[in-house]
Amino acid sequence: GNSVTQMEGPVTLSEEAFLTINCTYTATGYPSLFWYVQYPGEGLQLLLKATKADDKGSNKGFEATYRKETTSFHLEKGSVQVSDSAVYFCALKDTGGFKTIFGAGTRLFVKA
Amino acid sequence: GAVVSQHPSRVICKSGTSVKIECRSLDFQATTMFWYRQFPKQSLMLMATSNEGSKATYEQGVEKDKFLINHASLTLSTLTVTSAHPEDSSFYICSAEGLATLSYNEQFFGPGTRLTVL
Repeated sequence: GNSVTQMEGPVTLSEEAFLTINCTYTATGYPSLFWYVQYPGEGLQLLLKATKADDKGSNKGFEATYRKETTSFHLEKGSVQVSDSAVYFCALKDTGGFKTIFGAGTRLFVKA
Repeated sequence: GAVVSQHPSRVICKSGTSVKIECRSLDFQATTMFWYRQFPKQSLMLMATSNEGSKATYEQGVEKDKFLINHASLTLSTLTVTSAHPEDSSFYICSAEGLATLSYNEQFFGPGTRLTVL
């Protein structure tokens, strides 16, 4: 079945450090891939998405590229800020499917 | 993007009482709504999927008599936790998608409801 695996956290970085959160997936067909962010005490917000191979999603300095050959969708940001501290969820939605499959989430702490 | 609201944002109740949580799509018609439960520091667990005007489809292991879901209109779904107990304390999140949002191929999430059962 479909699944999403993302790196375990927590990830602790200093401000302005480079961020990578790894995400790999297993799916049939050609899923759409998403990164969601959850700030403390809040629901999920879509951070970025990509709907086909080699697409790059980007938003607020975050980027992720849909790599079909490695079934990956790693999240990157060149310079993190304290305000980026949150939990990040990688997710997929299969073509024609109605369920979104979430990874376990990776908690990011950014220190000033 | 599309907006989904939840009410209340927080609720504290006594054991044995029932609690209703509302999920509304504010600027689109939600043909499908999803209810999730999230335990501290864990991912979202899909509880059920509801389509407007039909019975909800529950995930395996979710008690449908305990978690009553109603999707009576295209903008409103409700989750009622019946005879709540402390183990039902959790963060409940709804999401929605509709014909107008299908092209985005994504779900839009509410801000969540924190339920605490004493």
